Amino acid sequence: GAGVSQTPSNKVTEKGKYVELRCDPISGHTALYWYRQSLGQGPEFLIYFQGTGAADDSGLPNDRFFAVRPEGSVSTLKIQRTERGDSAVYLCASSLERSFTDTQYFGPGTRLTVL
Amino acid sequence: KQEVTQIPAALSVPEGENLVLNCSFTDSAIYNLQWFRQDPGKGLTSLLLIQSSQREQTSGRLNASLDKSSGRSTLYIAASQPGDSATYLCAVGGSNYKLTFGKGTLLTVNP
Repeated sequence: GAGVSQTPSNKVTEKGKYVELRCDPISGHTALYWYRQSLGQGPEFLIYFQGTGAADDSGLPNDRFFAVRPEGSVSTLKIQRTERGDSAVYLCASSLERSFTDTQYFGPGTRLTVL
Repeated sequence: KQEVTQIPAALSVPEGENLVLNCSFTDSAIYNLQWFRQDPGKGLTSLLLIQSSQREQTSGRLNASLDKSSGRSTLYIAASQPGDSATYLCAVGGSNYKLTFGKGTLLTVNP
């Protein structure tokens, strides 16, 4: 497919466990963004990458959250020692480049539930 | 810190009506504004993107306007259809390329 894909679509884990969420951006898109959407809220920015580097990680809530994009394509969001408050839909988006004229294209999200 | 507010939070209209969704933002130093549609359990679909230098954008039955100085945008939907039922999100793009979203307007178009 030509869109942004995210895996898994749903993830249920227990408090204290480690989870990884994967994002496959649109081919050729250099900019990649992670957002988190809690129930009844709009998405909130977490981090974005330009190529392989994290250009802005100011939205990561604490040091339990980390994201990588080692080859400038696929990105993984990693959450250590999960807490119930981490439960949300994690959305990934990509754009052709880091530009004000480019639309961000969103994936379907990963619904994370921490029991 | 940029804050985005969308009014109303929910709207229910009969099919065929024209309607307006409102978005306001506190910091007028924006670079663009996007309207998205979100269907239940799905990701976001971009509807319209307005650059800060533009006043409006149109796509089919949708028209979005932007008044940067007053911190307002509207999304006009003409001749609404049941398939338009979804949550509509407004997001503003700041100097660091990240989007700040409102909470959305839940639109229901009744047949």
